[in-house]
Amino acid sequence: AQRVTQPEKLLSVFKGAPVELKCNYSYSGSPELFWYVQYSRQRLQLLLRHISRESIKGFTADLNKGETSFHLKKPFAQEEDSAMYYCALTSGGYQKVTFGTGTKLQVIP
Amino acid sequence: DVKVTQSSRYLVKRTGEKVFLECVQDMDHENMFWYRQDPGLGLRLIYFSYDVKMKEKGDIPEGYSVSREKKERFSLILESASTNQTSMYLCASSAGVQPQHFGDGTRLSIL
Repeated sequence: AQRVTQPEKLLSVFKGAPVELKCNYSYSGSPELFWYVQYSRQRLQLLLRHISRESIKGFTADLNKGETSFHLKKPFAQEEDSAMYYCALTSGGYQKVTFGTGTKLQVIP
Repeated sequence: DVKVTQSSRYLVKRTGEKVFLECVQDMDHENMFWYRQDPGLGLRLIYFSYDVKMKEKGDIPEGYSVSREKKERFSLILESASTNQTSMYLCASSAGVQPQHFGDGTRLSIL
């Protein structure tokens, strides 16, 4: 069975500090990993996916197959980064997605 | 831009009622999904559909059913609503292996 673990329910950092949101997964095959973000009173939206290897809003995430991790990082947190972040894994032809329990990022001014 | 529209933002129903949540997407996506979102539990998949009239159970299908009569519309049905089904319900759609697009959600309260 596939599983996504986000160990932190809440992560508080000061503006300008580095951010790392942790995500670990378990899956026997070759998964595709995503980060989704939900800002206050907005819909859940895709932030980035590992196959794109791109940086969105200053965030990056590297898939580490050895450690089965896909941590989300940003060198300098901004107040507008405050949101709920979900790590997700997909596999199979119909793109069934398994989400983690989410981490609320709070950036303190 | 992909538009996933859920018919209600807020809904209040009584225990035992039959409840319908509607979702429509405008991008001809073959895949559609229903999740519930609860604090501390994240998003949990209830049902998904990969084609018209096709459906698959997700992780928590008990107490729910779905209908997909047309490609653009995916309905979630609570056969006999119970208080433990009070939650935020999210609909999503996707094409092939592309990422999912979500609706605004329906906050359902069962009294």
